[in-house]
Amino acid sequence: DAGITQSPRHKVTETGTPVTLRCHQTENHRYMYWYRQDPGHGLRLIHYSYGVKDTDKGEVSDGYSVSRSKTEDFLLTLESATSSQTSVYFCATMGDTYYGYTFGSGTRLTVV
Amino acid sequence: DQQVKQNSPSLSVQEGRISILNCDYTNSMFDYFLWYKKYPAEGPTFLISISSIKDKNEDGRFTVFLNKSAKHLSLHIVPSQPGDSAVYFCAASAYGAQKLVFGQGTRLTINP
Repeated sequence: DAGITQSPRHKVTETGTPVTLRCHQTENHRYMYWYRQDPGHGLRLIHYSYGVKDTDKGEVSDGYSVSRSKTEDFLLTLESATSSQTSVYFCATMGDTYYGYTFGSGTRLTVV
Repeated sequence: DQQVKQNSPSLSVQEGRISILNCDYTNSMFDYFLWYKKYPAEGPTFLISISSIKDKNEDGRFTVFLNKSAKHLSLHIVPSQPGDSAVYFCAASAYGAQKLVFGQGTRLTINP
């Protein structure tokens, strides 16, 4: 399995503050994804990356930005956190030869 | 617009019996389907998948059935065990899309 580390695991932040979540992988997978999990909505795609500096929007990208300057790191930034962004965030990766994801353990973000 | 739907938020099954989890999709371009299992405070883990060229795939106690005409798939777990208690996500992908669309999830509880 891919080694995927998400940091931090838990974070509480105030409305209006910037927040950056980090995803680090050790498997040299090309594709990386950020999802959020919310009750009644399942897992929804925020942004994804298909290579260094190549990113694209998912279905719930408003209020989020991403960056991928190295293969192993994919950063998710909330420029100005809102209470609606309280959620559990999952990073996932996929290699070229496997048609499915490996997930990180998640980051629980609370915006107060 | 929910392209992948799991209409049962929860399911309770007696230990040893069969668990059947259902998933419907609307996008006829989907050609690969997966089931993920998620325990609390962990990331989802891959369980089983099926390509649209098949109508059944089996892996031990887990079988996935695909009915393309009905745009429906189901996951059968036989026999159900207490360790199967988790949230199960159905996911789908279209050829070349390199990203998965997830359902809302079904919480399965196996009762002793």
